[in-house]
Amino acid sequence: AQSVTQPDIHITVSEGASLELRCNYSYGATPYLFWYVQSPGQGLQLLLKYFSGDTLVQGIKGFEAEFKRSQSSFNLRKPSVHWSDAAEYFCAVGVSTAGNMLTFGGGTRLMVKP
Amino acid sequence: ETGVTQTPRHLVMGMTNKKSLKCEQHLGHNAMYWYKQSAKKPLELMFVYSLEERVENNSVPSRFSPECPNSSHLFLHLHTLQPEDSALYLCASSQDTGGYEQYFGPGTRLTVT
Repeated sequence: AQSVTQPDIHITVSEGASLELRCNYSYGATPYLFWYVQSPGQGLQLLLKYFSGDTLVQGIKGFEAEFKRSQSSFNLRKPSVHWSDAAEYFCAVGVSTAGNMLTFGGGTRLMVKP
Repeated sequence: ETGVTQTPRHLVMGMTNKKSLKCEQHLGHNAMYWYKQSAKKPLELMFVYSLEERVENNSVPSRFSPECPNSSHLFLHLHTLQPEDSALYLCASSQDTGGYEQYFGPGTRLTVT
């Protein structure tokens, strides 16, 4: 079965600074990869997804993620963080097998300092 | 209306009450999901329906009873809940099971007193 690890539970960055959130997965083949964002008391919103092709994926709100097969990683990046980016971020993994569900990481809570 | 909607957004209930959570998706998807999200715990998958048939039930207590009358609607019937059941309950849908991205509703914040 696949698993997802987000090593950082909390991260604090200054507004305008760059951001990288880490995600590592465990699976034998190349899975489908996703990043979601959740604002307090809200549902999860899909930021971006990787199925195949170009390993650098662009998403909404200025986010991007890079799939690195050799490192089994799919890290999320943003060059300049805005105060409104403060939220919880979840990495998820899926495989293209009928009946297979997404596996979510434990989440990283991002705080933004003014 | 678009996306995934959930009602009510907030619910307070006593341990002896019976209530239901409702989810509706307007995306034409075939699969629907219930998740429980508690403070400081990972997202827990509760139930999965594909084409109105339950395909997953992750050892959820029987005081939670799902119902999927059609591919657009999903209910979670609640009875005799415990205070530890207080959480954010999230509904999601996807094109189908099998690794597709899921789209989430805003959730129902449930408090059991």
